[in-house]
Amino acid sequence: SAVISQKPSRDICQRGTSLTIQCQVDSQVTMMFWYRQQPGQSLTLIATANQGSEATYESGFVIDKFPISRPNLTFSTLTVSNMSPEDSSIYLCSVTSGVYEQYFGPGTRLTVT
Amino acid sequence: AQKITQTQPGMFVQEKEAVTLDCTYDTSDPSYGLFWYKQPSSGEMIFLIYQGSYDQQNATEGRYSLNFQKARKSANLVISASQLGDSAMYFCAMSPKYIFGTGTRLKVLA
Repeated sequence: SAVISQKPSRDICQRGTSLTIQCQVDSQVTMMFWYRQQPGQSLTLIATANQGSEATYESGFVIDKFPISRPNLTFSTLTVSNMSPEDSSIYLCSVTSGVYEQYFGPGTRLTVT
Repeated sequence: AQKITQTQPGMFVQEKEAVTLDCTYDTSDPSYGLFWYKQPSSGEMIFLIYQGSYDQQNATEGRYSLNFQKARKSANLVISASQLGDSAMYFCAMSPKYIFGTGTRLKVLA
């Protein structure tokens, strides 16, 4: 199994500013995922981050808005840049371990005012 | 491209009864996996069950079973003997893209 921590757990930010979310895993993993979840809705995949390579972004998400770093096999960051109220959401970090298991962090609840 | 569809936004079930949550999918990948997750109001994502595309038998985990019909591209979750604690959002997901369906909110009635 994998235990994932995220920082911060929540934040309130002003529009136009940026926030960097950290994801730390207690074991080395190859694939890390960043999701966004609006309250009461599903998880939308933002990007997949593999160590040593550029993140792969899903349709509707761009690197300038959501830059991702993956410096090693246990850590990743997601930055939400030039925020607007539409970016208010829960941001989830996730990893895969073993054959198929996918584990999730507790999430970062972001409110943009 | 991969796509997951859950057509039941909400479901009710009587305690101790069985319930089926629907999930259909579409993919061009020959090898894929199908997952179900439970998300209670606390927000944590709880892995329930997994089915590989080449698995011959339907997956089971305790009270959870996955009714996998490959030709129909469906992977329905069956919860037997429902409990009040089963009330939550349920998401179907698919690898290798690890995308999620829109979810089904299940309410178990006493």
